[in-house]
Amino acid sequence: NAGVMQNPRHLVRRRGQEARLRCSPMKGHSHVYWYRQLPEEGLKFMVYLQKENIIDESGMPKERFSAEFPKEGPSILRIQQVVRGDSAAYFCASDRRGRGETQYFGPGTRLLVL
Amino acid sequence: GQQVMQIPQYQHVQEGEDFTTYCNSSTTLSNIQWYKQRPGGHPVFLIQLVKSGEVKKQKRLTFQFGEAKKNSSLHITATQTTDVGTYFCAVSSSNTGKLIFGQGTTLQVKP
Repeated sequence: NAGVMQNPRHLVRRRGQEARLRCSPMKGHSHVYWYRQLPEEGLKFMVYLQKENIIDESGMPKERFSAEFPKEGPSILRIQQVVRGDSAAYFCASDRRGRGETQYFGPGTRLLVL
Repeated sequence: GQQVMQIPQYQHVQEGEDFTTYCNSSTTLSNIQWYKQRPGGHPVFLIQLVKSGEVKKQKRLTFQFGEAKKNSSLHITATQTTDVGTYFCAVSSSNTGKLIFGQGTTLQVKP
């Protein structure tokens, strides 16, 4: 019963380095969502992807952040030149068809920028 | 854009007491979902409400969707230490599937 998988679970980076976060959706799910949770705060939507398509990136910061969901392999959230303010938990969620379906969340990647 | 306000932000109760968290919107909602996040964990889906005035129960948890579909509540009867965590309401965008979360209510239960 493979749920949503994310790796790494914890990631430590120094300022200026790159962070790559991976997400494999639940089996049978083709819609992936990324959310960010800053310490002691709620979850904020970042980006919604289907295979090879970005559907909604309205929550993505304009610079340094990018996401992809290739035909083969996991979805990747990439943060270039990380800064301390990027320290957060990044959660990936997936569902079958989008638009009001139940989303299932992965365990998250806790990113710490030193 | 669509927003949901959730109160209270924190609630400390004695084990056995009841607990309620409220979610409010200025606009009519198509649906509302509730999630629970344990400390250090990830959001876990609890329930989705879609009908005006809908009430659903899961053991000691009661979920309500207002008649005007602008508010919702989660009530826990006789809290237990296993209820500790943060409870979020969330609304699914009508255009895409993205979830818009409330700020969450963090529940602490004293044994």
